[in-house]
Parts: sequence; C-alpha cells; structure tokens
Amino acid sequence: ELKVEQNPLFLSMQEGKNYTIYCNYSTTSDRLYWYRQDPGKSLESLFVLLSNGAVKQEGRLMASLDTKARLSTLHITAAVHDLSATYFCAGDTSGTYKYIFGTGTRLKVLA
Amino acid sequence: DVKVTQSSRYLVKRTGEKVFLECVQDMDHENMFWYRQDPGLGLRLIYFSYDVKMKEKGDIPEGYSVSREKKERFSLILESASTNQTSMYLCASRSSGGNTIYFGEGSWLTVV
Repeated sequence: ELKVEQNPLFLSMQEGKNYTIYCNYSTTSDRLYWYRQDPGKSLESLFVLLSNGAVKQEGRLMASLDTKARLSTLHITAAVHDLSATYFCAGDTSGTYKYIFGTGTRLKVLA
Repeated sequence: DVKVTQSSRYLVKRTGEKVFLECVQDMDHENMFWYRQDPGLGLRLIYFSYDVKMKEKGDIPEGYSVSREKKERFSLILESASTNQTSMYLCASRSSGGNTIYFGEGSWLTVV
C-alpha cells in the first residue's frame, strides 16, 4: 500500500532564503500532488505532477517529480512571509480512488 | 469557480449523539471523499464515493458511515459520537477523469 512521507515536519526560515521540502513515497504513484493549507483553512491545490521528470513552477515555488527515486520536491526560492503555511504532498494509484497524504510540513518564514 | 461547501463549520456535540456532516459540490463531480485531519497525522481517508449510491471504506471507517443519494451531496454520519472523533473533517470532490481534488472549508467537530 502507498505510504507518503514528508520531511521536514517543521521548517523555520528567514526571508530571502531558499529551502526544499521532500516527499518520499513507497510504491508506484501515478500522480503526485502538492497542497497548501493556511491555519484554519482548507487545502488549496498547488501542483499536480503527472510523469517522471515533471517540473512545475508558480512564483517562488517549484515542484519536481522523480518516479525512479520515488521522490518529489517542493523548492522555495527567496522565501517571503506570505509563504508561511502547511504544505502537503499526496499520491494516488491508478485503479483506486485513494489519495494518500503526507503528514505535512509546517513552514514559517521569519521577517 | 469550483465550489465544495460544508454546511457546518463548527459543531459541538455530546458523546453518544448522532452527527451529520453535509457536503455539497457544484461541479458535477463523480468522486467525493471524506477525510479527517489531526495534528501530526495529516489527512486520513474515512470514506469515498466514486458515484451516486456507491461508497468504499477508506483507512479509518470505524465509527462512521456515509450516504450519497444524489451526485452533488455526500454526507458523513457519526452514529454515536465519541470524544476521539473530535477533529477537523474535510470533504473533497474530483471529476473521475480529473487530476485535482477540491476541498471544502472543513468542519471542526468537538465531542464533549
């Protein structure tokens, strides 16, 4: 069964710095998703990665997928305070309707 | 714009009460999901429905049931609420051919 692990669980970083959140998954996943959640709010879709080598970018966030290593990364460039949130990755497997989420990475960007 | 609406945002219920959490989506999506979110545990799937009147258990179905009589509505039922069901509940939906699942705003349930 698919398992998804994220690290780190907590991340405190200075504005202007770069950092990467890692998402490892245990078995084949057809798609890899990244979501953002602000405190007390729902989850907002950031990226859907569909194939090996996929890279997507939106503003200061860039996500990539390496299916051979079963690894996805979310890279933050020159962090700003507005990026403070919890970030989740999730995978799914063809033929099922189950999306398995990681435990989330709580990011705090300090001014 | 995509809309998944959870009618109850904050509820406080007593142990043993029957609780209904309602979710409505306006996107004609076939698939709907109920998750619960707890600190340190991420999101865990309770039940999902891949079409009207169809349902399957997720990873933590014990103590819960669901109903999907109409395509747009997916209800989560706690037959006899217990304190360990205090949590945030998230409903989501997805088109069967789509890549993205859309979440509602969440329902915060406290069982006392």
